[in-house]
Amino acid sequence: GQQLNQSPQSMFIQEGEDVSMNCTSSSIFNTWLWYKQDPGEGPVLLIALYKAGELTSNGRLTAQFGITRKDSFLNISASIPSDVGIYFCAGCKHSGGSNYKLTFGKGTLLTVNP
Amino acid sequence: SQTIHQWPATLVQPVGSPLSLECTVEGTSNPNLYWYRQAAGRGLQLLFYSVGIGQISSEVPQNLSASRPQDRQFILSSKKLLLSDSGFYLCAWGFYVNSYNSPLHFGNGTRLTVT
Repeated sequence: GQQLNQSPQSMFIQEGEDVSMNCTSSSIFNTWLWYKQDPGEGPVLLIALYKAGELTSNGRLTAQFGITRKDSFLNISASIPSDVGIYFCAGCKHSGGSNYKLTFGKGTLLTVNP
Repeated sequence: SQTIHQWPATLVQPVGSPLSLECTVEGTSNPNLYWYRQAAGRGLQLLFYSVGIGQISSEVPQNLSASRPQDRQFILSSKKLLLSDSGFYLCAWGFYVNSYNSPLHFGNGTRLTVT
C-alpha cells in the first residue's frame, strides 16, 4: 500500500529556532496535508496543499507541495513552547471521489526547550 | 460552523466485554466519516470509512465493526474486546462536493484500555 516516510522522527530544539520536517513517498499524491496533535487530543489541520509547487503559509508555518508531487515539507519559524506536539503529514492519491482516504506519516515529535 | 464530538473520552474495559464508541458531527450534512486507531501516540491507521447512511467500508480485518445509523452518527463496536484493541480511537469527517475533497477534521479521541 501507499506509505509516507516522515522525518525526522523527533526533534529537540531551543525556543526561537527554526524547524524543518518533510515527507516523501514513492507514489504521486494529489493532496498534501499537515496536522499537529497535542497530547490526548485529535490532530488539528495546519495547512492544506493541492497543487504541485504550491507554497502556503499559516502564521509562522510554511509548507510546500513538492514539484514531483512525491514530497512535502513543513517549516516552523521562531519556535515557541506551544509548538510542542506531534506533527503529521498526510497525503491523498486521488484528487476527487467520495471515497477519499488519507495516508499518514508516522509523525515528528517536536520538543521545544524554553 | 461544523463540530465533531466523540465519547467517551476514556474507557477501561475488561477482555471479552463489548464496546461501543460514538461519534457525531454537527453543522454539515452527508459527511464522509472515518474511524482511525492510533497506537503508542504515533501512526494513524484507518479502520473504517463511510460515505453515507448504512455504507461502511473496512480497511483492515479485525475484531471491530462500524455502523452509521444516521447521517451524522458513526459508531465503532466490538462484541468481545481483545487486549490488542487498546489504543486511541479517532473519528474524523470530511466532505466531497464538485470534485473537491476537503481535509479531514478529527474529534478529540477516545483512549481505550483493555485489561
